[in-house]
Amino acid sequence: NAGVTQTPKFRVLKTGQSMTLLCAQDMNHEYMYWYRQDPGMGLRLIHYSVGEGTTAKGEVPDGYNVSRLKKQNFLLGLESAAPSQTSVYFCASAGGYGANVLTFGAGSRLTVL
Amino acid sequence: AQSVTQPDIHITVSEGASLELRCNYSYGATPYLFWYVQSPGQGLQLLLKYFSGDTLVQGIKGFEAEFKRSQSSFNLRKPSVHWSDAAEYFCAVGTFIQGAQKLVFGQGTRLTINP
Repeated sequence: NAGVTQTPKFRVLKTGQSMTLLCAQDMNHEYMYWYRQDPGMGLRLIHYSVGEGTTAKGEVPDGYNVSRLKKQNFLLGLESAAPSQTSVYFCASAGGYGANVLTFGAGSRLTVL
Repeated sequence: AQSVTQPDIHITVSEGASLELRCNYSYGATPYLFWYVQSPGQGLQLLLKYFSGDTLVQGIKGFEAEFKRSQSSFNLRKPSVHWSDAAEYFCAVGTFIQGAQKLVFGQGTRLTINP
């Protein structure tokens, strides 16, 4: 049982380049989330989704776009990467309405030069 | 808006010693509270959670936490730490929007274990 899988695990970008992080879950969860983790700041919510075809902004959405075309996948895109987006990105998912436990992926480390 | 403060950025304890990690939260209603642990290079794993009822909650790996409403605290404890407990620990408060659990995390406390 894979749980939540993030690809790629590591990526280095130049300023202005674009990329997409993929999150896949095999637990048939309704809710999916993207967080970023920065030293001394804990994890902050970027975007989330309450079901297939839906997305919503979190705490720090600027500079990111997301899509949830399939229930099992949640994509995080950076259209024009900036050094401030250097971070570790975590995807998480949760079951159904009111589900209170999030399952996290292992993280994707992104460096923007 | 809700917030979480973990006053200790880094704590070092000796193996076998007791541990207490502090967490203070700010939230207007009854909070949903969580402790997660992150081992190096790994994702977050849930240690325990509090929603209601008994204010002392038991978690995995021998951890427990006590909810104190009067102090807005949810401190994590373990009677005797093991070298494998070295990790980063995050306290979080959760709210529900459209049925989705949204977590606000503290800054994290890094735990080092001396042999």
